[in-house]
Amino acid sequence: EAQVTQNPRYLITVTGKKLTVTCSQNMNHEYMSWYRQDPGLGLRQIYYSMNVEATDKGDVPEGYKVSRKEKRNFPLILESPSPNQTSLYFCASSFQGARYEQYFGPGTRLTVT
Amino acid sequence: DAKTTQPNSMESNEEEPVHLPCNHSTISGTDYIHWYRQLPSQGPEYVIHGLTSNVNNRMASLAIAEDRKSSTLILHRATLRDAAVYYCILSSSNQFYFGTGTSLTVIP
Repeated sequence: EAQVTQNPRYLITVTGKKLTVTCSQNMNHEYMSWYRQDPGLGLRQIYYSMNVEATDKGDVPEGYKVSRKEKRNFPLILESPSPNQTSLYFCASSFQGARYEQYFGPGTRLTVT
Repeated sequence: DAKTTQPNSMESNEEEPVHLPCNHSTISGTDYIHWYRQLPSQGPEYVIHGLTSNVNNRMASLAIAEDRKSSTLILHRATLRDAAVYYCILSSSNQFYFGTGTSLTVIP
């Protein structure tokens, strides 16, 4: 089954404790992206990647890091999480970017206390 | 500033057509217009997208104004399963800009 998976689905952590949210797709897509969703703000793009070793900042990249060492994986790293990063995070992938349909993962709900 | 603006909410009767509007007055010539929908506790789901011409697929139709400053998502016969938040999105240089979405209520 074609899908985007994220782990963990739920995470509660404390300020400053480094964490990684994993994202994997099995569709051989070149484009992958991370979004955060906050009430009243819709979804905002954090980072995206056009292909392996090619990543770019989205609208709200501050406080986040990403890497794309393999085509199927695109982890989101929070080196020093803060309470304002409490949010619902979605990973997505598409064949080759803006001209193609994006497939979204189920989401990761992160709470930073 | 938001690149797209949508009404916060709309209602439709079941089996009636629904027209969901979106304004994107600052759109550039190479920006694509996308529509996704999101059900509670799920990730967004692709509905349709286009560049300049109107588009049809099995889920919906997308009508794009001639000046491209607005578009309308058309659901031809609303069902209860179409109740969701619908997002109008611009993609520019492979970045995606979501609007705040329209919450569609379908009345039986």
